[in-house]
Amino acid sequence: QVQLVESGGGLVKPGGSLRLSCAASGFTFSDYYMGWIRQAPGKGLEWASYMTYSGRSTYYADSVKGRFTISRDNAEKSLFLQMNSLRGDDTAMYYCARLDRAIDAFDIWGQGTMVAVSS
Amino acid sequence: QSALTQPASVSGSPGQSITISCTGTSSDIGFNNYVSWYQQDPGKAPKLIIYHVTNRPSGVSNRFSGSKSGTTASLTISGLQAGDEATYFCSSYTTSSTYVFGAGTKVTVL
Repeated sequence: QVQLVESGGGLVKPGGSLRLSCAASGFTFSDYYMGWIRQAPGKGLEWASYMTYSGRSTYYADSVKGRFTISRDNAEKSLFLQMNSLRGDDTAMYYCARLDRAIDAFDIWGQGTMVAVSS
Repeated sequence: QSALTQPASVSGSPGQSITISCTGTSSDIGFNNYVSWYQQDPGKAPKLIIYHVTNRPSGVSNRFSGSKSGTTASLTISGLQAGDEATYFCSSYTTSSTYVFGAGTKVTVL
């Protein structure tokens, strides 16, 4: 079945780095844009980043631009989010999601991986 | 990239209809018809329930319907059921080729 599974979350100190991974299965990964959406504890959803099929184009929310880098490996059916210079307000559940441009919506979501930034 | 504006909570009795509003700007909701809605149960990942303002993915109940007027989109849940209790988020594509979400509306069935 169509599935996304995130990994890589954890506790990190302010200023530190973390790399999230998302393993896709059940669909042709290279046929879809992919993105990351995060949700701080008790808060709403915040779009963070997405990238096009081949990764040629990437887009970021202002809150993460310059600190986060999205990438993908189509051969491995994997999406990544390299997070540097982490801050307390980056603490959130990070969801990997498939962005179907045919419907311009995030139609498949992973279960999320938690990132906590604290000293 | 300001979040779309949604009411914090909406409630209704079983069988009633409720409507959740989502207000944006001419740079997002007012820019195109790429408005979507998501349903999130506590501790779970969001689920897509409406895309392109009015369309439902396969398997989503027809009790959920969407609309848009100007810079405000709306989600209506008709025949409210206990199982509809959840938080609902709207989202829109923007003129900057980015996406923006609303803060979420918690629906309570009385």
